[in-house]
Amino acid sequence: GDSVTQTEGPVTVSESESLIINCTYSATSIAYPNLFWYVRYPGEGLQLLLKVITAGQKGSSRGFEATYNKETTSFHLQKASVQESDSAVYYCALGDNTGNYKYVFGAGTRLKVIA
Amino acid sequence: NAGVIQTPRHKVTGKGQEATLWCEPISGHSAVFWYRQTIVQGLEFLTYFRNQAPIDDSGMPKERFSAQMPNQSHSTLKIQSTQPQDSAVYLCASSWTANTEVFFGKGTRLTVV
Repeated sequence: GDSVTQTEGPVTVSESESLIINCTYSATSIAYPNLFWYVRYPGEGLQLLLKVITAGQKGSSRGFEATYNKETTSFHLQKASVQESDSAVYYCALGDNTGNYKYVFGAGTRLKVIA
Repeated sequence: NAGVIQTPRHKVTGKGQEATLWCEPISGHSAVFWYRQTIVQGLEFLTYFRNQAPIDDSGMPKERFSAQMPNQSHSTLKIQSTQPQDSAVYLCASSWTANTEVFFGKGTRLTVV
């Protein structure tokens, strides 16, 4: 079946350091998967951070970026310099390009950024 | 725009009781979804409505769970005869269409004791 595996948390990073949260996927029933990163800040609902629907393309938002790599079936999330406000839970997700409602989510990675 | 509103935010029910969870999607959104989040299973899709019609309920447990959308301004998820394994955070989400950005509510944490 379809699945998403991401870095197991919690991940603790010092402010201004770089970050990478790994995400790999298996899309056995989806011919052209779309890939997403969602984030949940404390006390808030899940919100879309970035998405990429074409293999080989890179998405970016709020200083985060992720490249859709079809060869390695990966969609790692990276940021060059994190801030305390980036502390949140990050979810990698897989969707179908015919209707993204039926996401397959990773388990989530809790990130704590310390000053 | 208040976003997707879910009520209550927390609910505690006794084993065997019924639980009804409410969702108010963003005004104008035609697509409404329900997800469930547990520590063991993570985030799982439950069901999807489009223009109030049930389109896909493939993630819904066949027994005891039902979802409805009686009008465009709210949807309900009902769990009959709740069991401890139903304890989870239930998330509602909406979007303009199934292919556009999905906005999630803050969830309802259901605890069955």
